[in-house]
Amino acid sequence: GESVGLHLPTLSVQEGDNSIINCAYSNSASDYFIWYKQESGKGPQFIIDIRSNMDKRQGQRVTVLLNKTVKHLSLQIAATQPGDSAVYFCAENKGGGFKTIFGAGTRLFVKA
Amino acid sequence: GAGVSQSPRYKVAKRGQDVALRCDPISGHVSLFWYQQALGQGPEFLTYFQNEAQLDKSGLPSDRFFAERPEGSVSTLKIQRTQQEDSAVYLCASSFHRLAGVQETQYFGPGTRLLVL
Repeated sequence: GESVGLHLPTLSVQEGDNSIINCAYSNSASDYFIWYKQESGKGPQFIIDIRSNMDKRQGQRVTVLLNKTVKHLSLQIAATQPGDSAVYFCAENKGGGFKTIFGAGTRLFVKA
Repeated sequence: GAGVSQSPRYKVAKRGQDVALRCDPISGHVSLFWYQQALGQGPEFLTYFQNEAQLDKSGLPSDRFFAERPEGSVSTLKIQRTQQEDSAVYLCASSFHRLAGVQETQYFGPGTRLLVL
């Protein structure tokens, strides 16, 4: 992923609103995509994944959308809560390979 | 059961010093990964083990970096003659297995924050 140094893209939402975090991935051969949540001082935590043969996948309060035509991935969080405040990373993987490539991340702030 | 644990959580080293970072994966997990995360960036792959075999070390930035997993469980990432650019969080992750063409969820530890002065 591209580096944005210390200046992560930031999304600020009101508690209870829906959040949409976007990600552009780099490799058209990637066939597996994952969203991770990382809180300060902790390692990334798996949220949801999607394979390239799907366009949409839903979890609990989260939905991932995949648009392979424009190599775009999004994470939707319904009824955002203060506990959702964190940095969110999209990640891609190709053909079951060992390397998972992470994007630069988006910082989500939830205002009470 | 317990998650992935890493030690130490914080390490301050003088430039030129050798350091060793430890990872205890989830019991029974076959696959183990090391990542380097610079401040404000996403994790970057360093190396991968399946049991004791190091199957990919293409992400290790230089020959000063060395990783091992001699008994297929605990892993150590060693950095020799540390440089200031080595300052980062080093993350370890494990997954149950790695079948060809099948991706599995990776569970991350809290990381070791290394600061080289």
